[in-house]
Amino acid sequence: NAGVTQTPKFQVLKTGQSMTLQCAQDMNHNSMYWYRQDPGMGLRLIYYSASEGTTDKGEVPNGYNVSRLNKREFSLRLESAAPSQTSVYFCASNPRRSYNEQFFGPGTRLTVL
Amino acid sequence: GIQVEQSPPDLILQEGANSTLRCNFSDSVNNLQWFHQNPWGQLINLFYIPSGTKQNGRLSATTVATERYSLLYISSSQTTDSGVYFCAVVVSSNTGKLIFGQGTTLQVKP
Repeated sequence: NAGVTQTPKFQVLKTGQSMTLQCAQDMNHNSMYWYRQDPGMGLRLIYYSASEGTTDKGEVPNGYNVSRLNKREFSLRLESAAPSQTSVYFCASNPRRSYNEQFFGPGTRLTVL
Repeated sequence: GIQVEQSPPDLILQEGANSTLRCNFSDSVNNLQWFHQNPWGQLINLFYIPSGTKQNGRLSATTVATERYSLLYISSSQTTDSGVYFCAVVVSSNTGKLIFGQGTTLQVKP
């Protein structure tokens, strides 16, 4: 039981390049989330998926798109990376939207030059 | 929106000392979690505690939902306790999204 996994662990992009961050969970959870963490700050929600087939914007969605590929996988795409998107990205899941503990992946450290 | 405030922002302890970290929130919450972010950046779940008291080894937590605060107690601190401690709350049952505090940075010296 791996929990929540993320790939890649590290990535360096040039401004304007695109990439997709992958997230998968093997806990049969319904809800999945993407957060970003900037230096000295707590995490902020980018997008979330309450259940398979649905996605919604969080606090800081601009510049990102998501896909809930199936129940296990939730990907985050940067279409045209900007230096302001340099951050650590965390994926999380929980059994359902509320009243349950949220579990986090190990994070992806992204630098945009 | 809801405000989540943690105190103190920074804490330096000698190994073996005890400490209390506080989390205040400005509105009713459906869920509250404490996390430890270790020096490698990993977020480790400590407690899921929307109300009441829980204990796990040297750590314990208490949430008084009616008074809108939670406390994390660390006893007999060890150097491996170093890192950042986050409190996070869920306000909306529709989204389940966590709202994080700014964190308390703990350094335990040998």
